[in-house]
Amino acid sequence: GESVGLHLPTLSVQEGDNSIINCAYSNSASDYFIWYKQESGKGPQFIIDIRSNMDKRQGQRVTVLLNKTVKHLSLQIAATQPGDSAVYFCAETYGQNFVFGPGTRLSVLP
Amino acid sequence: DTGVSQDPRHKITKRGQNVTFRCDPISEHNRLYWYRQTLGQGPEFLTYFQNEAQLEKSRLLSDRFSAERPKGSFSTLEIQRTEQGDSAMYLCASTEQGALEAFFGQGTRLTVV
Repeated sequence: GESVGLHLPTLSVQEGDNSIINCAYSNSASDYFIWYKQESGKGPQFIIDIRSNMDKRQGQRVTVLLNKTVKHLSLQIAATQPGDSAVYFCAETYGQNFVFGPGTRLSVLP
Repeated sequence: DTGVSQDPRHKITKRGQNVTFRCDPISEHNRLYWYRQTLGQGPEFLTYFQNEAQLEKSRLLSDRFSAERPKGSFSTLEIQRTEQGDSAMYLCASTEQGALEAFFGQGTRLTVV
């Protein structure tokens, strides 16, 4: 069936470096994507979104890139900080709800 | 705090007991979603409401699960005859009319012993 997945289950980066978290999706009809950040014991927190008619969107320290040709989504975090340590999920719209991938754990090393 | 509120935050229950969770969405958000999340996995869709109407239910939502949103504001999720496999984080999210961005609550962590 249609699904959203992630290439890397864990990612460790040095504080101050840039982080790139990747996501592959399989539903070519999806028209909206969101990146969520989830800290331990908390609900997912919205980071940034992008519609399928765009290929790039920037926020504060974060950038989302969408490549519809290969159905790939990425989240770039600039100057990664300890507070960025969390699990990151990409989600795509499927009907009226969101389909989440399994997540990537980002660990920021001092 | 005007975010999505869920109660309780934690629930421990014995197998076979019934449990009920409550979600208060962001005011004026007409769509409300329930998700279930197990350790190391992404949230899985259970059901969603538009106002008081339950418009979609996942195959994950067995007959032991029931959700309501009687006045189009808060929602409840009840699990009858709980099983150990029901142990998970139950998340609620809401969106406003015409928007796609979903805001999540902190979740209710259920442990069935």
